[in-house]
Amino acid sequence: EAGVAQSPRYKIIEKRQSVAFWCNPISGHATLYWYQQILGQGPKLLIQFQNNGVVDDSQLPKDRFSAERLKGVDSTLKIQPAKLEDSAVYLCADRESSSYNEQFFGPGTRLTVL
Amino acid sequence: AQSVTQPDIHITVSEGASLELRCNYSYGATPYLFWYVQSPGQGLQLLLKYFSGDTLVQGIKGFEAEFKRSQSSFNLRKPSVHWSDAAEYFCAVGGGGKLIFGQGTELSVKP
Repeated sequence: EAGVAQSPRYKIIEKRQSVAFWCNPISGHATLYWYQQILGQGPKLLIQFQNNGVVDDSQLPKDRFSAERLKGVDSTLKIQPAKLEDSAVYLCADRESSSYNEQFFGPGTRLTVL
Repeated sequence: AQSVTQPDIHITVSEGASLELRCNYSYGATPYLFWYVQSPGQGLQLLLKYFSGDTLVQGIKGFEAEFKRSQSSFNLRKPSVHWSDAAEYFCAVGGGGKLIFGQGTELSVKP
């Protein structure tokens, strides 16, 4: 079974530029999450989707971050404009509806903002 | 408030020695508890999980963890560490489809 796919794996941008990350979850997994993992910290939830609807985006900095999950499959996370403090690894995870909170993680995208 | 505390930021053990990584949680209901491992440049891989039943759970790669409700703890153990176990370990508590992670413990293994 293929795992959660993310691209790109690495991205370096200047502050105030925009950037987008892509996630393709495991087939049939209805719930999708985006996490931000700053160096030395555990992952922090940014947004949770159930199919193509947002369940929780309370921790998403909506002035600069946006996310969508069209057709309930792939998802994109965008930052515009980026700040230095956005440097982090952005992890995508998913969960099948029947599991007890067990989440499957992609390899992440490491973003460096200069 | 729901939270997870991993008191040890960094631990170094000799190869072949035993290992225990500590995890304490604060959660209002019966928790679902997880341990994940993250190797450099990789995503998080699930080591083991506790939902209910036997409080000693076995995971992959020879790891086990024990749930102690009275101590609000879910410590990870391994009887004999291998050099390939060097990585970052995260404890997490789940509920309502969400996970809250601790800050992680970095494990180094000495030859």
